[in-house]
Amino acid sequence: DADVTQTPRNRITKTGKRIMLECSQTKGHDRMYWYRQDPGLGLRLIYYSFDVKDINKGEISDGYSVSRQAQAKFSLSLESAIPNQTALYFCATSDSQAGSLSGNTIYFGEGSWLTVV
Amino acid sequence: AQKVTQAQTEISVVEKEDVTLDCVYETRDTTYYLFWYKQPPSGELVFLIRRNSFDEQNEISGRYSWNFQKSTSSFNFTITASQVVDSAVYFCALIVYNAGGTSYGKLTFGQGTILTVHP
Repeated sequence: DADVTQTPRNRITKTGKRIMLECSQTKGHDRMYWYRQDPGLGLRLIYYSFDVKDINKGEISDGYSVSRQAQAKFSLSLESAIPNQTALYFCATSDSQAGSLSGNTIYFGEGSWLTVV
Repeated sequence: AQKVTQAQTEISVVEKEDVTLDCVYETRDTTYYLFWYKQPPSGELVFLIRRNSFDEQNEISGRYSWNFQKSTSSFNFTITASQVVDSAVYFCALIVYNAGGTSYGKLTFGQGTILTVHP
């Protein structure tokens, strides 16, 4: 099983609808992230959370909101989806313990393909 | 601001050829990590390697090797004896840290290099 699980993996939704992408992790990491990938634009950070009470906007947060329900869960919502939010969305996690072997490495989920029509 | 440049948009090789993917980065910070990720056609992002700014040792893992040179701000990735399964998009990425060791949380990615290995 994947350490970082995203649901749904694929979704087609209509303009104006609310959609939530969920992410859960079993890695025990304190930090979680949402990125979006667009052709030609690479990956861009939407929101990140360093712990349950610490949520920060990334470079493209407009039109999105997040919720960190628990250390292991971080969901991304599009309150009113629009076509230019069609993209591949990635949840990611990292361990803030710099001294650990995996410290500060960002691990990605399998991605969620979202199409807004 | 940080920047990562992967000048090679696409590379096409025949199986068993060696191939090097170039990555050049820009940052004014002295503490940072560099990464390579692989994105196969199925879409997931697979972590390959992490290197911190104080460790310029080259690394080899099987057919993969990485050459980190701070003098030229480069972190190149070589696949020896390429295989069809190596076909993917490869991303180089950078994350910076402040003096206290806290990251700003933002990975800066290059645009990716599409590698196609033909049988």
